[in-house]
Amino acid sequence: QKEVEQNSGPLSVPEGAIASLNCTYSDRGSQSFFWYRQYSGKSPELIMSIYSNGDKEDGRFTAQLNKASQYVSLLIRDSQPSDSATYLCAVVRTGGTSYGKLTFGQGTILTVHP
Amino acid sequence: TAGITQAPTSQILAAGRSMTLRCTQDMRHNAMYWYRQDLGLGLRLIHYSNTAGTTGKGEVPDGYSVSRANTDDFPLTLASAVPSQTSVYFCASSEDFSSYGYTFGSGTRLTVV
Repeated sequence: QKEVEQNSGPLSVPEGAIASLNCTYSDRGSQSFFWYRQYSGKSPELIMSIYSNGDKEDGRFTAQLNKASQYVSLLIRDSQPSDSATYLCAVVRTGGTSYGKLTFGQGTILTVHP
Repeated sequence: TAGITQAPTSQILAAGRSMTLRCTQDMRHNAMYWYRQDLGLGLRLIHYSNTAGTTGKGEVPDGYSVSRANTDDFPLTLASAVPSQTSVYFCASSEDFSSYGYTFGSGTRLTVV
């Protein structure tokens, strides 16, 4: 089982719709969770962080965390073509060789079509 | 513009040759990281440094070495390149080892033939 798993997609949504991106993780001790966005040919950039169960909203983005289910999601409301990118879920490891460092999922490719 | 500079942008390298990927940051961040990104595998941590003078192994360290002689520079060396090291390499930094808003460099695309 991968430590952080995402649907690789691609996920295609029409402009104005809600895009839902999902992520599961295997380290039950993880406490910190992040979403990074990566445009094609560019480097990743942090867009959201979440530490507590529930929802966290920032503009059109909402991160959701359920530690009992080991599940993190990112909702993008009113999706725009400029949101087309790869979205990377990242989790802070609590053990192993990469203790305390970010472990990334494989990313979900999102395409928003006009 | 403050940030991370990586060099070269891309490189084709013959198998068995050595190469050093350069990474320099001007943000005075204490922690630095090297990740490789491969299709379907995402970003995987190669090595990290929590502060100048210290380094640690990540998830996929074999075939790579790093040094951290000062705060700004964190070079990654491939001693004897193999085709499986073909990848995009990203250097990143954060204020300290417990900060997770990593700033990434623009990446180095390496092809080993």
